[in-house]
Amino acid sequence: ETGVTQSPTHLIKTRGQQVTLRCSSQSGHNTVSWYQQALGQGPQFIFQYYREEENGRGNFPPRFSGLQFPNYSSELNVNALELDDSALYLCASSSPTQTNTEAFFGQGTRLTVV
Amino acid sequence: QKEVEQDPGPLSVPEGAIVSLNCTYSNSAFQYFMWYRQYSRKGPELLMYTYSSGNKEDGRFTAQVDKSSKYISLFIRDSQPSDSATYLCAMRVNTGFQKLVFGTGTRLLVSP
Repeated sequence: ETGVTQSPTHLIKTRGQQVTLRCSSQSGHNTVSWYQQALGQGPQFIFQYYREEENGRGNFPPRFSGLQFPNYSSELNVNALELDDSALYLCASSSPTQTNTEAFFGQGTRLTVV
Repeated sequence: QKEVEQDPGPLSVPEGAIVSLNCTYSNSAFQYFMWYRQYSRKGPELLMYTYSSGNKEDGRFTAQVDKSSKYISLFIRDSQPSDSATYLCAMRVNTGFQKLVFGTGTRLLVSP
């Protein structure tokens, strides 16, 4: 177990709806990154939050947004859901200020858009 | 062309075999190289982490990085059926920004 927990584990939404996914980071980790993993593909970086600020973003549209809270937990929000948003959404926590601390992933939230 | 290329497999081997998994990459700025194992419908689990070039061994697993060839490998000795999973290589540029660039993953099947 990595200590990174995500909720819910899976959900089904209708095209056009909005969804919020949640992540609790590992104790001592102040950085949270979100990834999208389509079926049969490697995870794709969405964005990273450090000390409640977004400090890096991948090639995803603005309808993907996030938050990080003072306790370093995080949310991923997706508006105007599209069928192609169906994927496993992964949260990873890390602490770049520590030497050789890599990203540890949660079990993911499987989102199905119908 | 993708930044990181990885053969998707599946790779099927008998129990006890030595497994070799590989990735190539195009960005010479990558400094940190990781291997993750992912079981079906689970999150990736960090297996090996290597900085720059060289070898790293941990039990039955050995990771190799050849930056001159932009090529990384993961070797699994005495493979077990429990090793059956998808293996993802990942890499990043520096310490402060944790963006990982992943390969597509290689599905490994170890038969008893």
